[in-house]
Formats: sequence, C-alpha cells, structure tokens
Amino acid sequence: DAKTTQPPSMDCAEGRAANLPCNHSTISGNEYVYWYRQIHSQGPQYIIHGLKNNETNEMASLIITEDRKSSTLILPHATLRDTAVYYCIVRGYNAGGTSYGKLTFGQGTILTVHP
Amino acid sequence: EAQVTQNPRYLITVTGKKLTVTCSQNMNHEYMSWYRQDPGLGLRQIYYSMNVEVTDKGDVPEGYKVSRKEKRNFPLILESPSPNQTSLYFCASSLYPQYFGPGTRLTVL
Repeated sequence: DAKTTQPPSMDCAEGRAANLPCNHSTISGNEYVYWYRQIHSQGPQYIIHGLKNNETNEMASLIITEDRKSSTLILPHATLRDTAVYYCIVRGYNAGGTSYGKLTFGQGTILTVHP
Repeated sequence: EAQVTQNPRYLITVTGKKLTVTCSQNMNHEYMSWYRQDPGLGLRQIYYSMNVEVTDKGDVPEGYKVSRKEKRNFPLILESPSPNQTSLYFCASSLYPQYFGPGTRLTVL
C-alpha cells in the first residue's frame, strides 16, 4: 500500500469548512484513498473513500487531484464533535498475503475545532 | 442499527487468568479482524478471518487465539494474559471499508 503524508495538526473554527490534505505520491492505479477518523480512544470511524473522482456523502467530501498524488478531505461545517485524529489511507483491493485486509494507520492529522 | 459491538468495554484482570473479549456484527460481513492499539505503535492487526472457519494470523498474534464458528461472532481469547497485553483492542468487520467496534480497554496486572 502507498505511503501517505499528512500534517500533524490543524485548527478550524466551528461552523467553518475544515480542509485536511493528504499526499500519496506513490499511489498506484488500483489503489483507493480512504479516510477514517478516531475520536479519543473510540473505534476508528470510516468517513469516505474514492478512486479518482470526487466523492461526497453525508459526512464529508473527498477531492482527489487529477494525477491522484494528493487528496483533500472536506468537512463542510465543522463542529466541536469533529475534533479527532484523521487518517488518510491508501490501499488496493487485491492486497493479499499475511495480515490480509490489514489497515495501516499512520500518524494522521489532529484536527481541533474550536468555538 | 448496523454496528460492531464488543464486550466488555473495560476489563482489569490479573496475569494468567483466561479471558475472552467478544465481538459481534449485524451486517452479515464475511471478513472480521482484531487490532490492538498502543501509544506510539498505532493499530496492529492480531488476527483476521476471511469467513466462517477461515482465520489467520496478523502482525502480532502471539498470546492470542480466535475462533469463528458463526459469521456474526469473532471472539478474541487470551489464554494466559500477561501485562504486555495491556492495550486498547478493536474488532472490525468488512474489508472495504472496515467498520470498527467501540473498543475494549484491557489492563493486565
């Protein structure tokens, strides 16, 4: 799976959009970009994923650059409850071998939403 | 509500006393997995199960056992817990994407 790079921390004002970047310059053609978040010691929560087209769901939007080397997760109207560690993960569908299906979480971005 | 549940959520035990952490999912997923999370080490996969009766080791299987007798349940068994198994444990189901349970905080004294 491709390595990802995220800023260690970001701040956002409540009600504003939070834009979280992720670099994945070594991504290959069959690898998807996934976003998860973990609110203090809770189970990681799936947010959204995409291959090359922009995606939107009830939680967030995912913008993937045309060359697929980076992406941005957008929380359109951040609330205090969005304060969490956000993880960008790149993986393909055919990852096999040992630890099949394993998700590798990097350090992520600590997003702090303040009033 | 679609969810992954774990029990217990918190457990303090002593070295050598066998314990089981249960995991159940109601989404009919074939794939289930166990992770442990430790400060500075991130999430590490312990065991996974492709489907009923098929399980295999993850990155850190030592000291753990699992069973998958039915699709919805995937218990994690510590036959003889030791202090280095003090950790936060997460069960997950589905491959793409994975859905995680709320976690079990285990302390082994």
